[in-house]
Amino acid sequence: DTAVSQTPKYLVTQMGNDKSIKCEQNLGHDTMYWYKQDSKKFLKIMFSYNNKELIINETVPNRFSPKSPDKAHLNLHINSLELGDSAVYFCASGGQTYEQYFGPGTRLTVT
Amino acid sequence: SQKIEQNSEALNIQEGKTATLTCNYTNYSPAYLQWYRQDPGRGPVFLLLIRENEKEKRKERLKVTFDTTLKQSLFHITASQPADSATYLCALTSNDYKLSFGAGTTVTVRA
Repeated sequence: DTAVSQTPKYLVTQMGNDKSIKCEQNLGHDTMYWYKQDSKKFLKIMFSYNNKELIINETVPNRFSPKSPDKAHLNLHINSLELGDSAVYFCASGGQTYEQYFGPGTRLTVT
Repeated sequence: SQKIEQNSEALNIQEGKTATLTCNYTNYSPAYLQWYRQDPGRGPVFLLLIRENEKEKRKERLKVTFDTTLKQSLFHITASQPADSATYLCALTSNDYKLSFGAGTTVTVRA
């Protein structure tokens, strides 16, 4: 059973489009995260939700909007995609013990 | 501003030797320091967590040290194997569940 899953794995789209990435975890964790890993492999946090409540909101363009319908799901919606949004996006979840469990990533390519 | 530096971008070692990776940080008072492994095309995988009041932690062939005076962690892989080849990420957190990552060190173990 996959602990943290993301769909789709690859996403190729044109500038200006709107797209969503879905994430689900079956670990029973209360906290979920979205990270962006750019071409230089730097992994940077974007958002975090704890039990459906937004607790971390880094300096991210407001074209990015997370949504947590329940504590097992955290989706990422991106409006008006730009070339600079091309990256790998990782979802993660964590419990009380601070370590985090990452999904397989979604490679977004904006053309 | 906070900075996390992993000193080497790449480390090449002979099978059977010990790999030692360094993580230094500035302008940060982490409560926890973590190490993750990332293989190409995959999400990071949690390896070890060490608390600010712990000096050393071990797990199988892995050893982590944490020196809050030097603001440094060392990560050792003993008796290294080709299967240990991967990128290793250092990550720091305070008590707010927010992980800040270093850029990573790519380890290649030669048979």
